[in-house]
Amino acid sequence: GQQVMQIPQYQHVQEGEDFTTYCNSSTTLSNIQWYKQRPGGHPVFLIQLVKSGEVKKQKRLTFQFGEAKKNSSLHITATQTTDVGTYFCAVPRSYNTDKLIFGTGTRLQVFP
Amino acid sequence: NAGVTQTPKFQVLKTGQSMTLQCAQDMNHEYMSWYRQDPGMGLRLIHYSVGAGITDQGEVPNGYNVSRSTTEDFPLRLLSAAPSQTSVYFCASSWNRDSFSLSGNTIYFGEGSWLTVV
Repeated sequence: GQQVMQIPQYQHVQEGEDFTTYCNSSTTLSNIQWYKQRPGGHPVFLIQLVKSGEVKKQKRLTFQFGEAKKNSSLHITATQTTDVGTYFCAVPRSYNTDKLIFGTGTRLQVFP
Repeated sequence: NAGVTQTPKFQVLKTGQSMTLQCAQDMNHEYMSWYRQDPGMGLRLIHYSVGAGITDQGEVPNGYNVSRSTTEDFPLRLLSAAPSQTSVYFCASSWNRDSFSLSGNTIYFGEGSWLTVV
């Protein structure tokens, strides 16, 4: 079945540094979603990527979908303490289905 | 708009006890699901439902039962709790579309239920 790997598992950065997490799939994806979960909270939808090579930005967050649609990245520029949390990617269990499986997540800690 | 509501938020059970985690959504979503979250394991799908009267197993269904008698409600039952079921449980809902949709199919999560089995 579909497998998705997310790296790194943890990342500690100084406030103001950049941060990137990567999501890699063994198969071609129809789309990928990204979620953020604050400590003690629940996952919250951030964005969906659909097209090959697509790049989307939300303020300091940049999301990219690989040309082969097998990998994706989330980059945060100049991290702030409000960025603390775990970032998950989620991919369809099989091509062209809305049922998702989640990556293991990257936990981001930002030190002031 | 309440969104996805799940109860209880915290529960301690003894091994062998049974309990039901309640989940309700008021967005008229067809698709509802239950996930468990364990450290380093991400979110794993337990059971899901594509509509009233229809349920199916996810990745880790053993030890759990579900039913979907209405569109709004999707309770999760632990028949005989085991320590391995200590986890955080999330109920989620979304629109159910069988075909690829450009507008996406955002999953909305409840706030979670922290369950400890001793």
